[in-house]
This record gives sequence, structure tokens and C-alpha cells, in this order.
Amino acid sequence: GAVVSQHPSWVICKSGTSVKIECRSLDFQATTMFWYRQFPKQSLMLMATSNEGSKATYEQGVEKDKFLINHASLTLSTLTVTSAHPEDSSFYICSARDSRGLEETQYFGPGTRLLVL
Amino acid sequence: AQSVAQPEDQVNVAEGNPLTVKCTYSVSGNPYLFWYVQYPNRGLQFLLKYITGDNLVKGSYGFEAEFNKSQTSFHLKKPSALVSDSALYFCAVRDWNYGQNFVFGPGTRLSVLP
Repeated sequence: GAVVSQHPSWVICKSGTSVKIECRSLDFQATTMFWYRQFPKQSLMLMATSNEGSKATYEQGVEKDKFLINHASLTLSTLTVTSAHPEDSSFYICSARDSRGLEETQYFGPGTRLLVL
Repeated sequence: AQSVAQPEDQVNVAEGNPLTVKCTYSVSGNPYLFWYVQYPNRGLQFLLKYITGDNLVKGSYGFEAEFNKSQTSFHLKKPSALVSDSALYFCAVRDWNYGQNFVFGPGTRLSVLP
């Protein structure tokens, strides 16, 4: 089946620095990708929807200047956490929608664990 | 608005016994229902989905789920649990009338005891 990769799988950074997370669809083109955030022992919360060639759509309460999303190609979306703080520490999961076929299957990446010190 | 409830935070079952992880949903239109499993520090793995057709859906690793429209439920089941089934299970719904986005339940942690 389709595969979605994320890089890095984990990252530790100092408070105030910026961190970029990449999400790639490996064997299909994804016009739409999604970024989720998961706190320990909690469910996935949609942060934003990323559309290739256009601005991302952010969910209510998500700071777009804090979480910069770039979907520059049909196989790559990036999430940059700017000026990271300890409260940004979380598990970030991306998802890519495969629009081939009728059901528009959505595949999830393995996640990136961010720890901000 | 759409929502998903998983009434049990934790389910414990002995290896070899049948397991059930419960899910109920609320959508305005026709529900597209999914089950995903998450192992520690990993992303979500697809188990099965209901789009239309038979109410009993068979998925990966011997799991199945039954769609019950009258009870708005989509419980996940397996006849004989394995220790390796221990993980976090998420029920999710996509409402085609709501931007096609997933809404996830809070998750249920399944522990299969040897």
C-alpha cells in the first residue's frame, strides 16, 4: 500500500529555535496533506490542512505564524515550528490523501516526536 | 458537527479470549467509519473501514467491526486476542458533508494479558 514518511522521527531542540518536519508521500501524489498533534494519552487533533500550491487551512486555535506549513510539491509538505517552547513538545503526525480511485484513502506517517528543552 | 466517542479508556482481556473495543459516532450525513491502531511512538496503522455495503467489515490482523446504524455504533472485535494486539486503538469518522476531514475518538488502550 501507499507509504507516507516523516523526517525526522524525533528531534530535541532548545527553546527559541525553529524545527522543520518533513512529510512525504512515497508512491503517490497528494494534493492534500494534513498535520495532526497528539499529546500523551490523548487523541489526534487536526492542526491544519495543507493544499499543494496554496495556503494551508488552520483549525481554530492553531497559530498559523507559529506553525508554518508549506506544501510546495505534490509529494512534500513541511511543518515548521517557529520559536519552539516546551509547551510545543508533542507527537506530530502527518497524513496524505491519495485521490486516485473513488474513496480518497488517507495514509498516516509514522510521526515525529518533538521535545523542546 | 461530527463526533466520535470511545467510552472505555482501557480494555483488559486475557490472551485467547474475544475482545471488543467500543465506538459510537455522530454525523450529519452518511458516516464513513475507520479503525486505526497505534503502537508506542508510532503513527497510525489502518485496520479497517466501513463505507457502504455489508455491516460486518473484516480488516487486518483478524479484526472485524460491525456497523450498526440504529445504535450509531462501530465496535471493533476480534475472536481471539493476542498479546501483540496490545496497543492504542482509535475510531474515526469522515463526514463527506464536513470537508472530508477525519474526526478521531479519544482512543482506547487495549491490554492483552498472557
